[in-house]
Amino acid sequence: DTAVSQTPKYLVTQMGNDKSIKCEQNLGHDTMYWYKQDSKKFLKIMFSYNNKELIINETVPNRFSPKSPDKAHLNLHINSLELGDSAVYFCASSSGTRSNEQFFGPGTRLTVL
Amino acid sequence: AQTVTQSQPEMSVQEAETVTLSCTYDTSESNYYLFWYKQPPSRQMILVIRQEAYKQQNATENRFSVNFQKAAKSFSLKISDSQLGDTAMYFCASAPNFGNEKLTFGTGTRLTIIP
Repeated sequence: DTAVSQTPKYLVTQMGNDKSIKCEQNLGHDTMYWYKQDSKKFLKIMFSYNNKELIINETVPNRFSPKSPDKAHLNLHINSLELGDSAVYFCASSSGTRSNEQFFGPGTRLTVL
Repeated sequence: AQTVTQSQPEMSVQEAETVTLSCTYDTSESNYYLFWYKQPPSRQMILVIRQEAYKQQNATENRFSVNFQKAAKSFSLKISDSQLGDTAMYFCASAPNFGNEKLTFGTGTRLTIIP
């Protein structure tokens, strides 16, 4: 069984479009995250939700809006896509215990043309 | 705030040899966790090993071990008997020792195992 899944795995779109990436975890975790990996492979946190509540919001353009309908799902909606949004977006989840081990999804490669 | 530095962008080693990847970090937290993640060409992020900062004993997982030097804020990963499947990007990361906190990653080391 897949622990953390993301759809789609690849997304190619035109500049200016709006797109969404979905994430689901079946681990029973309370906390979910979105990370962005840029073209140089650098990974950085974007958002974190705990039990559907936003707890981490790094300096991210407000064109990016996360939504958590329940604690097993965390979606990422991006408005007015720009060339610089091209990256791999990873969803992750953790139980919120002291170990803080985070389990990652397979990533979504977003290409903005 | 936490920072993580990996000073080796790329490394290569012959199959079956031992290789050590370096990582240094800085943190204002009194307790924290350190991690090594592996990212093979498949793109999946895989946890390799985890170290709790308050534990003096170095963590080991089969062929993977760490050398944790708390005073020096150093956390290196040693891979013994390297295998072709170890070819990947390796990321060092840190997080405070309480739940729901973000991982802060280093810039990664691209490791190639040569047959």
